[in-house]
Amino acid sequence: EPEVTQTPSHQVTQMGQEVILRCVPISNHLYFYWYRQILGQKVEFLVSFYNNEISEKSEIFDDQFSVERPDGSNFTLKIRSTKLEDSAMYFCASSDFMLRTDESTDTQYFGPGTRLTVL
Amino acid sequence: QKEVEQNSGPLSVPEGAIASLNCTYSDRGSQSFFWYRQYSGKSPELIMFIYSNGDKEDGRFTAQLNKASQYVSLLIRDSQPSDSATYLCAVNIMDSSYKLIFGSGTRLLVRP
Repeated sequence: EPEVTQTPSHQVTQMGQEVILRCVPISNHLYFYWYRQILGQKVEFLVSFYNNEISEKSEIFDDQFSVERPDGSNFTLKIRSTKLEDSAMYFCASSDFMLRTDESTDTQYFGPGTRLTVL
Repeated sequence: QKEVEQNSGPLSVPEGAIASLNCTYSDRGSQSFFWYRQYSGKSPELIMFIYSNGDKEDGRFTAQLNKASQYVSLLIRDSQPSDSATYLCAVNIMDSSYKLIFGSGTRLLVRP
């Protein structure tokens, strides 16, 4: 069964360093998302990406964050200068949503996550 | 502010019992509703989705949706210890990005 993959599973970095989190969405999916979950808190939306551009970003997704789809398979989240409060699980998700012609087309499937620890 | 509310629990049920998990949402424009299961330290795993008012059954799981009351529930029949996890209710706002808004989750404990 197709699945979303993410690398690395755990990233430890020093405050102020840049990190790139990588995701490979499910191959026929068109919508891509990043969410994050701080330990003990809700899963929070960061950004959505469709047709090679950001379709929406949350207040969390400030100028330190960027996303890119550098080729036909990868989807990356970059944090330019990490802060202590960026420590969280980061989840990539994808969906094949287009017009909702059947019941299964806007379901988002999540990758296993990257645990980011900023020291 | 669009919110999804869940009782944090823990909800403790004996093995074999029915577990009932509830969720309310604030945005009347919400169209799609999802239940995800999350084990500690893991990612959300889709259990069920529902779009229409009423019940939807899949194996031991039944999702119930009442749009007038802005209420979604998940019933787990014949609960097993392996069902012990946090259950996340998520709502698709169906705006420009179709992002999911998550509740804080209900922790379910199934006692052997």
